[in-house]
Amino acid sequence: DQQVKQNSPSLSVQEGRISILNCDYTNSMFDYFLWYKKYPAEGPTFLISISSIKDKNEDGRFTVFLNKSAKHLSLHIVPSQPGDSAVYFCAASPEGGAQKLVFGQGTRLTINP
Amino acid sequence: EADIYQTPRYLVIGTGKKITLECSQTMGHDKMYWYQQDPGMELHLIHYSYGVNSTEKGDLSSESTVSRIRTEHFPLTLESARPSHTSQYLCASSDYGGNRPYEQYFGPGTRLTVT
Repeated sequence: DQQVKQNSPSLSVQEGRISILNCDYTNSMFDYFLWYKKYPAEGPTFLISISSIKDKNEDGRFTVFLNKSAKHLSLHIVPSQPGDSAVYFCAASPEGGAQKLVFGQGTRLTINP
Repeated sequence: EADIYQTPRYLVIGTGKKITLECSQTMGHDKMYWYQQDPGMELHLIHYSYGVNSTEKGDLSSESTVSRIRTEHFPLTLESARPSHTSQYLCASSDYGGNRPYEQYFGPGTRLTVT
């Protein structure tokens, strides 16, 4: 029973265009969502997050949108750069102090010159 | 800046051997975590700790064990390695009282291969 799903295993985008990565979740108790970026042979690094009380959070080229009614969030990267090529993981945390994260399977983003 | 270290980075070992994967963080974080990840798959939480002398099993059942006798150190041990343990193991930590309490800082991982 996978609670966080990233249905696109890979995405290819031209440099300078917008990259949109999607994530769906099933557990309505999730109240905080995060995006992580992972390069090969490295651990994931935090990118951006959003609380369930918001519907948008922006940080430079990265924007995360949350649609609670659809249980869907997306990460927008604009403009896309070659250094953005990596695997992106969506993660969610339920209410409470446990701070445990549930991860999606990841989407491999490739930015083409 | 996050400082969390894992050793070894790569390990190839024969079936039946006992192994310990090391994880240390210098940030003074109370919470630490171990994840297991197979290629193309999600990270699965196998162990976590809220502080010294506190350890809990995660959502994915694992034959490994952990200990937390110092805040900065959270080693993972497999008493008898098997080929099914082949995977990447990622250690992470978080600061409960920080500005971003849900953010976990990850180490570089240990890629384990059991032959």
